[in-house]
Amino acid sequence: GAVVSQHPSRVICKSGTSVKIECRSLDFQATTMFWYRQFPKKSLMLMATSNEGSKATYEQGVEKDKFLINHASLTLSTLTVTSAHPEDSSFYICSAPTSSGNEQYFGPGTRLTVT
Amino acid sequence: AQKITQTQPGMFVQEKEAVTLDCTYDTSDPSYGLFWYKQPSSGEMIFLIYQGSYDQQNATEGRYSLNFQKARKSANLVISASQLGDSAMYFCAMRPMDSNYQLIWGAGTKLIIKP
Repeated sequence: GAVVSQHPSRVICKSGTSVKIECRSLDFQATTMFWYRQFPKKSLMLMATSNEGSKATYEQGVEKDKFLINHASLTLSTLTVTSAHPEDSSFYICSAPTSSGNEQYFGPGTRLTVT
Repeated sequence: AQKITQTQPGMFVQEKEAVTLDCTYDTSDPSYGLFWYKQPSSGEMIFLIYQGSYDQQNATEGRYSLNFQKARKSANLVISASQLGDSAMYFCAMRPMDSNYQLIWGAGTKLIIKP
């Protein structure tokens, strides 16, 4: 199946700093990618839809100035957590659908810890 | 409202037995897609199987099959001959029509395979 990479897999940062997470589709092009946040033992919570060549679409309650999304190319989307705080600590995971939409592949996730 | 319901928060199954994970969905769309994902403790989301609403036959992928009962709006995942490595969280998801590939997620079922 298709592969989506995500980097870094783990990051620990200090409060007030910014962290960038990259999501790449390795063997297919993705005009759309999704960014999720997952709390322990919970389901995925969609944060935003990343659109290549246009602005991201954010879900209600997600601060777009705090979670900056850039879909720079057909294979790369980045999520930057700006001025991170301990409450931003979470598991962040991206996904990319194939052109048919019948398959959607996920990156391995990024565990962010803000101290 | 469009919704996915997984009524089993946790299940214990003896190794080598078959297991059925329940999923019901609610939508008025004539066209939609149904997905199952596995999430082991490592956190990665592994795509298992897809069923389109117009597919005449139940989807199968190796030991996984999807018991699609459209009239009942259910899409149960059947795992045959369970293995210890099947222990994980399992999520059912639905892609509504015209959703730009966004998925609606169930709460998940934690499956533990006993030796």
